[in-house]
Amino acid sequence: RKEVEQDPGPFNVPEGATVAFNCTYSNSASQSFFWYRQDCRKEPKLLMSVYSSGNEDGRFTAQLNRASQYISLLIRDSKLSDSATYLCAVNIGGSYIPTFGRGTSLIVHP
Amino acid sequence: DAGVTQSPTHLIKTRGQQVTLRCSPKSGHDTVSWYQQALGQGPQFIFQYYEEEERQRGNFPDRFSGHQFPNYSSELNVNALLLGDSALYLCASSFAGGPYEQYFGPGTRLTVT
Repeated sequence: RKEVEQDPGPFNVPEGATVAFNCTYSNSASQSFFWYRQDCRKEPKLLMSVYSSGNEDGRFTAQLNRASQYISLLIRDSKLSDSATYLCAVNIGGSYIPTFGRGTSLIVHP
Repeated sequence: DAGVTQSPTHLIKTRGQQVTLRCSPKSGHDTVSWYQQALGQGPQFIFQYYEEEERQRGNFPDRFSGHQFPNYSSELNVNALLLGDSALYLCASSFAGGPYEQYFGPGTRLTVT
């Protein structure tokens, strides 16, 4: 089993839809979790850190489920500009180095 | 606030050659990590430098080496290039005292022919 796993998609959704991605991790001792957005042929950009209590930033909500060892990203009211690859990153165990998933591709269409 | 910068942006090399990539961290950051990203994959960790020392290394051969300078900037060197080394090389910086969020530079796209 990979340390960090994501469904590569693509997720094809219409504008205005709500879409959610999950990311599972293998090590229950993992402490830090992040979501990044990566546009085609660009660098990953930090979208948000994921806290135990969950956090929200505008249309984006991140949740952590320690019992089932996954994090989620919910995007409400999808915009065309949300089309990108969403990478999750997990500091496995006590490591200060994040391990990245392969990313989930989101395509928002008119 | 200066972000992470990398040079060059693109590079074409021949098998067997050597390459040096450069990175300057975000202002206030002291730690630099290097990643290799193949098409359709997530970034794969190569190594991390802190206080001019390699602090941790991923599963990459010794052909991959690095350096960190007193001003926190860093270099990645790859010797004896293979076709499989063609990828986007990303530099990320962070602050050792936390939080551990990493900020990426624009990357160097290396093509080995």
